[in-house]
Amino acid sequence: QQQVKQSPQSLIVQKGGISIINCAYENTAFDYFPWYQQFPGKGPALLIAIRPDVSEKKEGRFTISFNKSAKQFSLHIMDSQPGDSATYFCAASNRGQGAQKLVFGQGTRLTINP
Amino acid sequence: GAVVSQHPSRVICKSGTSVKIECRSLDFQATTMFWYRQFPKQSLMLMATSNEGSKATYEQGVEKDKFLINHASLTLSTLTVTSAHPEDSSFYICSVSRDRIYEQYFGPGTRLTVT
Repeated sequence: QQQVKQSPQSLIVQKGGISIINCAYENTAFDYFPWYQQFPGKGPALLIAIRPDVSEKKEGRFTISFNKSAKQFSLHIMDSQPGDSATYFCAASNRGQGAQKLVFGQGTRLTINP
Repeated sequence: GAVVSQHPSRVICKSGTSVKIECRSLDFQATTMFWYRQFPKQSLMLMATSNEGSKATYEQGVEKDKFLINHASLTLSTLTVTSAHPEDSSFYICSVSRDRIYEQYFGPGTRLTVT
């Protein structure tokens, strides 16, 4: 129940296209859903995050869509660029006092072809 | 976001020796720090959660006597890998957070190679 399932495992998109990565969860107590971007040999960087009181959040070319009833959320990268090539991780955590543990998806290796 | 540093970025050590990795939160007081390890092409695996001034909470299957964590202050946590073996070779990453915020910010990671 603590798992977050992420798909696809790898994705190749042409420059200028839309990259879509999906995640699904079981634990309805999760109330924070961040996406992280990780380049080889580097730590993950927080990209964008959403809470379940909204269905969509957009920051620049990055959009999170959230479907509470389906327990799914997705990352859309518009106008994908070669510099977006990286591994993306979705995650989820519970509400509560103090900092909460993140449960990570398995990761998606994104390649943007020029 | 928050700026987090780790030192060293890379370390090679001989089997049987101990290695200490430092994690520093540079621009806010981190009440909670997390330590992860990551194997090539895999996701992040949480090892332990540490709160300033108290003992770390280890995840199931993580040996607390092998991976010693000290959260000495609100800006510094250390992970010591004791009696390292080649199977401990991995990418170790810390993250920082604080009460009443959801965000976790990660350090750049430390590549440990045990020969």
